Amino acid sequence: EPEVTQTPSHQVTQMGQEVILRCVPISNHLYFYWYRQILGQKVEFLVSFYNNEISEKSEIFDDQFSVERPDGSNFTLKIRSTKLEDSAMYFCASSEVFGAQQPQHFGDGTRLSIL
Amino acid sequence: RKEVEQDPGPFNVPEGATVAFNCTYSNSASQSFFWYRQDCRKEPKLLMSVYSSGNEDGRFTAQLNRASQYISLLIRDSKLSDSATYLCVVAQGADGATNKLIFGTGTLLAVQP
Repeated sequence: EPEVTQTPSHQVTQMGQEVILRCVPISNHLYFYWYRQILGQKVEFLVSFYNNEISEKSEIFDDQFSVERPDGSNFTLKIRSTKLEDSAMYFCASSEVFGAQQPQHFGDGTRLSIL
Repeated sequence: RKEVEQDPGPFNVPEGATVAFNCTYSNSASQSFFWYRQDCRKEPKLLMSVYSSGNEDGRFTAQLNRASQYISLLIRDSKLSDSATYLCVVAQGADGATNKLIFGTGTLLAVQP
C-alpha cells in the first residue's frame, strides 16, 4: 500500500536554529498538509497546500513557518528560528483530491526536539 | 466549547468485550467525520469514515447524529490489538474551501487479557 514517508524520524536542534522537515506524499495525491502534536495533546492542523501554494493555514503557522514543494516529489516544512515550544511530533499528510470527505493519509512523523 | 470533545478514558476492558466511544462536535456546518486510531507515539491511521446512515466495518460500527452533533464508535469482540487511542475527527469544509481536520484529544482503550 502506498504511503507517506517523512524524514528524519527524529530531529534535535538548538533553539534559534532553522530546521527543515521533509515529506514525500503518496505519488498521485495533489493535496498536502502538515499537522503537529505536542506530547500529550491533540493533533493540530498547521497548513494545507495545493498547486504550489498555501490553501489554508492555522494561527500556529506564523511567519516563522514556511512550506514548499521544491522538486515535485518532496514537500517540506521549514521553521526559521525554532523555539522551545516548537518541540512536537510533526505529521505530513496527503489526499488524492479536495473535499472534506476525502481521507487524509498520514506519514509516521518527525519528532522535533528543541534544546 | 471544544471543537471536538471526547472522553479521554482510559477504558479498560477484557478481551471479547463490547466498548463504545462517544464524541461531540461544536460546528453544525461540519461536513465529514472520521475515526482514526493512534498507537503510542505513532501517526494517526484512518479507521473508518462515518456516514449519516451509520456504517459497519467488521467489528467496528460508527454512527452519526447530525441533530445532536454526536458521533459514536462501537467495537465488538475487542482484541488485545485494539488497544490504542481512538481519535474522533471532523472535517469542516462547510463552504467547500477547506478540508482541514479537527481532532479530538482521543479516548484511550486498553484491552486486558
